[in-house]
Amino acid sequence: NAGVMQNPRHLVRRRGQEARLRCSPMKGHSHVYWYRQLPEEGLKFMVYLQKENIIDESGMPKERFSAEFPKEGPSILRIQQVVRGDSAAYFCASSRADRGDYNEQFFGPGTRLTVL
Amino acid sequence: AQSVTQLDSQVPVFEEAPVELRCNYSSSVSVYLFWYVQYPNQGLQLLLKYLSGSTLVESINGFEAEFNKSQTSFHLRKPSVHISDTAEYFCAVSSPGGYQKVTFGTGTKLQVIP
Repeated sequence: NAGVMQNPRHLVRRRGQEARLRCSPMKGHSHVYWYRQLPEEGLKFMVYLQKENIIDESGMPKERFSAEFPKEGPSILRIQQVVRGDSAAYFCASSRADRGDYNEQFFGPGTRLTVL
Repeated sequence: AQSVTQLDSQVPVFEEAPVELRCNYSSSVSVYLFWYVQYPNQGLQLLLKYLSGSTLVESINGFEAEFNKSQTSFHLRKPSVHISDTAEYFCAVSSPGGYQKVTFGTGTKLQVIP
């Protein structure tokens, strides 16, 4: 059973370009979470999605960032018109559907975005 | 709102010496507590967790953490570290419920010196 897959692992963009980060959850998982790790900081929650639904996007910047988790295919985190401050590691995690009080999140290896 | 404080950003320790990585949390509701480990250029791996029951939890590689509700702490300890333990360790908190929004600390880099 493959773990959470993220691609690309490394992404370089120039200011003003778009960045698309992909996350394929573990088999059987229908919940996806995106986190951002800025240099020398911990992970910060960005958004929580279920298939075709955004459940909580309270951690997403109000502009330029969007996320989706379509019925088919991976979850996508999209950053439009990137700026240098977007340079960070972006981690995806997945979990099973709500089962009781605890649903462990399994993390992918991350995508390291560098904005030149 | 929940928060996690890891006061030590870096902890150097000699191989085979004991180590303690400190973690304090703040929450107005009941909590789940976690320690994650991150090796260079890799994702996070769950090291151990406290959900309920015994306040002392252990990992398979010799780490342990104790939930102390009165001191709102969840310190991570290992009696004898190995070179392979060199990594960054993140303490995290969430709350019971189907959807756990995990709040992470800023991390502690453990450097094991040969």
